[in-house]
Amino acid sequence: QLQLQESGPGLVKPSETLSLTCTVSGGSISSRSYYWGWIRQPPGKGREWIGSIFYSGRTYYSPSLKSRVTILVDTSKNQFSLKLSSVTAADTAVYYCAREIGGHSGYFDLWGRGTLVTVSS
Amino acid sequence: DIVMTQSPDSLAVSLGERATINCKSSQSVLYSSNNKNYLAWYQQKPGQPPKLLIYWASTRESGVPDRFSGSGSGTDFTLTISSLQAEDVSLYYCQQYYSTPLTFGGGTKVEIK
Repeated sequence: QLQLQESGPGLVKPSETLSLTCTVSGGSISSRSYYWGWIRQPPGKGREWIGSIFYSGRTYYSPSLKSRVTILVDTSKNQFSLKLSSVTAADTAVYYCAREIGGHSGYFDLWGRGTLVTVSS
Repeated sequence: DIVMTQSPDSLAVSLGERATINCKSSQSVLYSSNNKNYLAWYQQKPGQPPKLLIYWASTRESGVPDRFSGSGSGTDFTLTISSLQAEDVSLYYCQQYYSTPLTFGGGTKVEIK
């Protein structure tokens, strides 16, 4: 069955750019039925949606992060990625990738296991 | 942004008893044109990814035991576990997808009494 797996550095220095990749296996990222999203959870805090992307490259982002976020898709590799610039300690979180149903503004039916990213010098 | 507020933060229920979790949205998530509530429920166990339980406020995801049910409309929603099993010990949280940014409740921890 379809699986998602996050990958990327677990430690990022303040002011640098956080980069994560989500690899989709067992299915195609090019389905017209789904968006693909990033969600994070800082330690001891609630979950925060970051943004989502369609296989065509259409994106929508959380307004609170929009100025620092870029989500890209690579259909040839069945991957999508997250870049978050100018990070601070407040960006320390477990980052999840997930499959989103419902088009623009949906719910998430499959999730990756998550990866902890710590922002520290 | 739509703020999702869950209650209680945690609850302890005896095996076989009913567990009830509440989720309240700061504005209605009922879309009048299709009469659907844009509300989902998830379960997350330690070290595991979140699992979708319920969408459209009351539609159970394939494979989810029927002891899990969702109800409510507008701004007030409930996730009910009709007969708590040991494997249901987990964190549960709601999410609205009526509008962006997509937002989540803070979570409710369910334990065995």
